[in-house]
Amino acid sequence: DAKTTQPPSMDCAEGRAANLPCNHSTISGNEYVYWYRQIHSQGPQYIIHGLKNNETNEMASLIITEDRKSSTLILPHATLRDTAVYYCIVRGLIQGAQKLVFGQGTRLTINP
Amino acid sequence: NAGVMQNPRHLVRRRGQEARLRCSPMKGHSHVYWYRQLPEEGLKFMVYLQKENIIDESGMPKERFSAEFPKEGPSILRIQQVVRGDSAAYFCASSPYFSTGTAGELFFGEGSRLTVL
Repeated sequence: DAKTTQPPSMDCAEGRAANLPCNHSTISGNEYVYWYRQIHSQGPQYIIHGLKNNETNEMASLIITEDRKSSTLILPHATLRDTAVYYCIVRGLIQGAQKLVFGQGTRLTINP
Repeated sequence: NAGVMQNPRHLVRRRGQEARLRCSPMKGHSHVYWYRQLPEEGLKFMVYLQKENIIDESGMPKERFSAEFPKEGPSILRIQQVVRGDSAAYFCASSPYFSTGTAGELFFGEGSRLTVL
């Protein structure tokens, strides 16, 4: 699996958009970009994933650059409950190699 | 549709005892993954199983740890002769399996917290 690079921490004001960057310059053509978050010591929560097109769901938007070497997770209106560690993960879907490999993630703090 | 169920949520064992952690995947999911999170550290992959098969155990310690996912019943992570360093949160995740041969996104349980005295 390709490695990812994320800033260790970020702050964002409540109500503003939180933009979390991720670099994955060694991503290969059949690897997806996944985002998960872990709130305090709860189980990780799936947020969104994409291959090359931008994606949006009820939680967030995922913007992937055209060369696929980086992406940005956008939480459009951050709330205090969005404070968590956010993980950007590159995942291949070759049978037998479909686990998620977590890095250190970005600790996002939403401030009132 | 119930989520991934793990039990017990908290387990206390003395050194040398055995710990058994159970994971019931989401309905319709045939893939199970186990992760360990040591205090103040990240999530580390341990093992990936399909029904009755271990697909990837590259993250499993060589000794004392084993995992199974029988045809019927939950997946079990077993730790024999526990030591203090085994104290951690153990998370299970499940995913569906598609006819294309790929697995969908992983859904995690709330974890089992093992404390070894």
